[in-house]
Amino acid sequence: EAGVAQSPRYKIIEKRQSVAFWCNPISGHATLYWYQQILGQGPKLLIQFQNNGVVDDSQLPKDRFSAERLKGVDSTLKIQPAKLEDSAVYLCASSSSGSTIYNEQFFGPGTRLTVL
Amino acid sequence: GDSVTQMEGPVTLSEEAFLTINCTYTATGYPSLFWYVQYPGEGLQLLLKATKADDKGSNKGFEATYRKETTSFHLEKGSVQVSDSAVYFCALYTSGSARQLTFGSGTQLTVLP
Repeated sequence: EAGVAQSPRYKIIEKRQSVAFWCNPISGHATLYWYQQILGQGPKLLIQFQNNGVVDDSQLPKDRFSAERLKGVDSTLKIQPAKLEDSAVYLCASSSSGSTIYNEQFFGPGTRLTVL
Repeated sequence: GDSVTQMEGPVTLSEEAFLTINCTYTATGYPSLFWYVQYPGEGLQLLLKATKADDKGSNKGFEATYRKETTSFHLEKGSVQVSDSAVYFCALYTSGSARQLTFGSGTQLTVLP
């Protein structure tokens, strides 16, 4: 079974530029998550999708970050414009359900973003 | 809100040494507890879990016991190998209004031959 795919693996941009990350979850997984992992910290949830609807985006900085999950499969996360403090690894994860019962989240390898 | 506190790293051990990584938590309700591992260049992987008090999770020689009285979930391994070198994250999940994984800051483990 293929795992969660993410691209690109690395991205370097200058501040105020825009960037987009792509995620392809495990086939059949209804729930998709985007996390931000700043160096030396644990992952922090940015947004959670159930199929193509947003379940939780309370920690997403909506003035510059946006995410979509068209057709309930692939997802893109965009930053526009980027700031220095956005330098981090962006992790995508998927699980088979987002109900009250915990279903194991499977993580992709992440995209390492450096903002200069 | 929910939070997880892990022992500060990095931790460096010799092969076959005993490993303990401390983890304590604060949560409303009755969380499920997890240890995730991140090998260099790879995504996070679930190492083990425990869903209720006194449960012991185990996998690949690692163990952790859910201690409700001390709100702890310490990770242990009796004899580490070089291949165990990775970053280890303690995490919790509650089925209340938060309903999300909350991670600790991670502990870098390096095992020397």
